[in-house]
Amino acid sequence: GAVVSQHPSRVICKSGTSVKIECRSLDFQATTMFWYRQFPKKSLMLMATSNEGSKATYEQGVEKDKFLINHASLTLSTLTVTSAHPEDSSFYICSARTGNWVNEQFFGPGTRLTVL
Amino acid sequence: AQSVAQPEDQVNVAEGNPLTVKCTYSVSGNPYLFWYVQYPNRGLQFLLKYITGDNLVKGSYGFEAEFNKSQTSFHLKKPSALVSDSALYFCAVRDGFSGGYNKLIFGAGTRLAVHP
Repeated sequence: GAVVSQHPSRVICKSGTSVKIECRSLDFQATTMFWYRQFPKKSLMLMATSNEGSKATYEQGVEKDKFLINHASLTLSTLTVTSAHPEDSSFYICSARTGNWVNEQFFGPGTRLTVL
Repeated sequence: AQSVAQPEDQVNVAEGNPLTVKCTYSVSGNPYLFWYVQYPNRGLQFLLKYITGDNLVKGSYGFEAEFNKSQTSFHLKKPSALVSDSALYFCAVRDGFSGGYNKLIFGAGTRLAVHP
């Protein structure tokens, strides 16, 4: 299947700093990318959906000014957690889908963010 | 609104025995159903999907799932479980009529434990 990578896999930062997470589709062009947040032993919570070259569509309750999403190319999307706080600590997972919307999404390996 | 229910938090099965992980869904249009598996600290891996056609769908690693429209179910099955199948399994649905980016809605997840 298609491969999606995330970088970094793990990051620890101080409260108040900003953290950028990259999501790349390695062998296909991702017209749509998704960002999820997963709490321990919980399901995935969709944060936002982005199409290349367009503004991201955020889910209700997700602060767009805190979680900045950029989808500048068909193979790269970035999530920036601005002014991170300990409650932002979580496992962030991206996924990507190509073309036809009935296609399955391919998920990245996730990024573990710990804010001290 | 579309939703997915995975009624069991955990399923325990002995190695070599058949396994079933249950999933029921609710959508307003035709359902597009997916199963994903997640290993610890990893992203989700695609197992199989139902879009249309045969109700019995075969997927990766010997897994299969049966779409039952009258019972609105899409249970995941495997004839003979392996210890290595132990992981967290997510059922997901996309509503064919939802329009937009047709986001996936995930169930809460079911932890499968296969004992030697």
